Amino acid sequence: EAGVTQFPSHSVIEKGQTVTLRCDPISGHDNLYWYRRVMGKEIKFLLHFVKESKQDESGMPNNRFLAERTGGTYSTLKVQPAELEDSGVYFCASSQETGPQETQYFGPGTRLLVL
Amino acid sequence: AQSVSQHNHHVILSEAASLELGCNYSYGGTVNLFWYVQYPGQHLQLLLKYFSGDPLVKGIKGFEAEFIKSKFSFNLRKPSVQWSDTAEYFCAVRMDSSYKLIFGSGTRLLVRP
Repeated sequence: EAGVTQFPSHSVIEKGQTVTLRCDPISGHDNLYWYRRVMGKEIKFLLHFVKESKQDESGMPNNRFLAERTGGTYSTLKVQPAELEDSGVYFCASSQETGPQETQYFGPGTRLLVL
Repeated sequence: AQSVSQHNHHVILSEAASLELGCNYSYGGTVNLFWYVQYPGQHLQLLLKYFSGDPLVKGIKGFEAEFIKSKFSFNLRKPSVQWSDTAEYFCAVRMDSSYKLIFGSGTRLLVRP
């Protein structure tokens, strides 16, 4: 069974440009999460999809970030326009079902560097 | 605010030494607890998890963790580390019915051969 995949693995862009990150969850997983780790600090929650619906987007930093999950399969996270402080590693995770026994499985992350 | 603390940011050990990484959280309700590991160049992998029951949890690769509710702790242990355990280790907590994980800042472990 394939794990969570993310594309690209690395992205280097200039301030003001737009970047779109993609996450493909494990097949059959309805829950999809985005997390971010900035500058070696803790990994922080960004948002949570259940199928195509946003369940919780309380962690999104500001309106420059837009996440979508059309059709309830893969998800994209767009940063527009990117700022220097957006640099970091963006992780995606998925899980089969929510509840007390939920386990989230993580992708390899996308390293974003904004110059 | 709810938080997770990993007190050791960097740990250096020699092979065969014993390991204990600390994890404390600040929340008085029900928690689910996790340790994830990220080996160099790889993705975050689940080492072990605690949901309920026996507070001593055994995971993969000889790791174990003990949930001590009175101390709000979930420390990770391994009796004898190997060079291949060199990685970054993350403690994560899910609180009550929340879906999101709250992570500690991570501990980088270097095992010298």
